[in-house]
Amino acid sequence: NAGVTQTPKFRVLKTGQSMTLLCAQDMNHEYMYWYRQDPGMGLRLIHYSVGEGTTAKGEVPDGYNVSRLKKQNFLLGLESAAPSQTSVYFCASRLLGRDNYGYTFGSGTRLTVV
Amino acid sequence: AQSVTQLGSHVSVSEGALVLLRCNYSSSVPPYLFWYVQYPNQGLQLLLKYTSAATLVKGINGFEAEFKKSETSFHLTKPSAHMRDAAEYFCAVSDPGGYQKVTFGTGTKLQVIP
Repeated sequence: NAGVTQTPKFRVLKTGQSMTLLCAQDMNHEYMYWYRQDPGMGLRLIHYSVGEGTTAKGEVPDGYNVSRLKKQNFLLGLESAAPSQTSVYFCASRLLGRDNYGYTFGSGTRLTVV
Repeated sequence: AQSVTQLGSHVSVSEGALVLLRCNYSSSVPPYLFWYVQYPNQGLQLLLKYTSAATLVKGINGFEAEFKKSETSFHLTKPSAHMRDAAEYFCAVSDPGGYQKVTFGTGTKLQVIP
């Protein structure tokens, strides 16, 4: 089925460890986004990309890095995980166009940092 | 800067009763507005969107929302709640143009009582 796929779905990290979250979409969407979701805070934008090879900071970028080497993939990296990064991470993508068609979301990655 | 405020982090209704979830927005230009629904352990799914066409917008699952510029509101309604409507609902706003980054509200959890 077409859509946004996130891997892994669950992960437990120790403080200081690193990891990469993968987001893949097969809809040929230009725009891709990484959000984190925390109770009572809604979704907050970490980084986004408007096309292959481009990335930009969102609302809460500290402690994260991203790369978009291929149009269909958007990677989110944590170089040195901290307990404050315990969260549910969502990737989303959107088609470029005059009207905003809304996002297509992945099913999320639940990350716990101990 | 754009923002949305969702009044009530938790709303309970009886099955068959009216559902009303409130959203007020702030935007410097005429916005695009969205409602998303999130079922447990899933990503967000687009319910409906307002993109400057008709002010009354119909979405999936019998939901609708009305854009009221004078009140800067975009409340979500459904005439008769069903058990399957129990979920978390997010209002979101984006400014047309640019990269159209979407800002999400903090969410409202809807409980449907049998």
